[in-house]
Amino acid sequence: GDSVTQMEGPVTLSEEAFLTINCTYTATGYPSLFWYVQYPGEGLQLLLKATKADDKGSNKGFEATYRKETTSFHLEKGSVQVSDSAVYFCALFSDTGRRALTFGSGTRLQVQP
Amino acid sequence: EAGVVQSPRYKIIEKKQPVAFWCNPISGHNTLYWYLQNLGQGPELLIRYENEEAVDDSQLPKDRFSAERLKGVDSTLKIQPAELGDSAVYLCASSLGGSANEQFFGPGTRLTVL
Repeated sequence: GDSVTQMEGPVTLSEEAFLTINCTYTATGYPSLFWYVQYPGEGLQLLLKATKADDKGSNKGFEATYRKETTSFHLEKGSVQVSDSAVYFCALFSDTGRRALTFGSGTRLQVQP
Repeated sequence: EAGVVQSPRYKIIEKKQPVAFWCNPISGHNTLYWYLQNLGQGPELLIRYENEEAVDDSQLPKDRFSAERLKGVDSTLKIQPAELGDSAVYLCASSLGGSANEQFFGPGTRLTVL
């Protein structure tokens, strides 16, 4: 079945550091890929998405590229801020599977001033 | 535009008691999802509705869990009786359907079973 594996946290960085959160997936067909973010005390929000191979999703300075050859969708940001502290979830949606999001276990990011 | 509304936000009950969660999706969203999120884990699908039809309830523990979406709008998820292991956050999401369409999540209901 479909699955998503992302790096375990917490990830602790200083402000303005470079961020990478690794995400790899297993799925049948050609899934759409997503990053969701959960800020403290808030619900899940879509951060970015990519629907086909080599697509790059971007939002709020975050980027992720859909790499079919390595089945990966790593999240990157060049300079993190304290306000980026949150839990980040990688997820996929497969039209040939359950037609619902399959999530990774989440990665907590803590950015220190 | 109002987002996905869930109530209650928090619920504490004793084991073997019944509990119900309510979700009102974004207007016009025909697809509604209930997800279960255990502590430190990502959400997992419990049930998916297309309008009023439950099209995927394969992960719903039917001996104690039930759900309905009358008239294809709001939905209720019920647990009877609750067990200690049911303590988790229950998330509702809605979308227009389709793989590229964003799912919008409600704030969730945090259930604690004592």
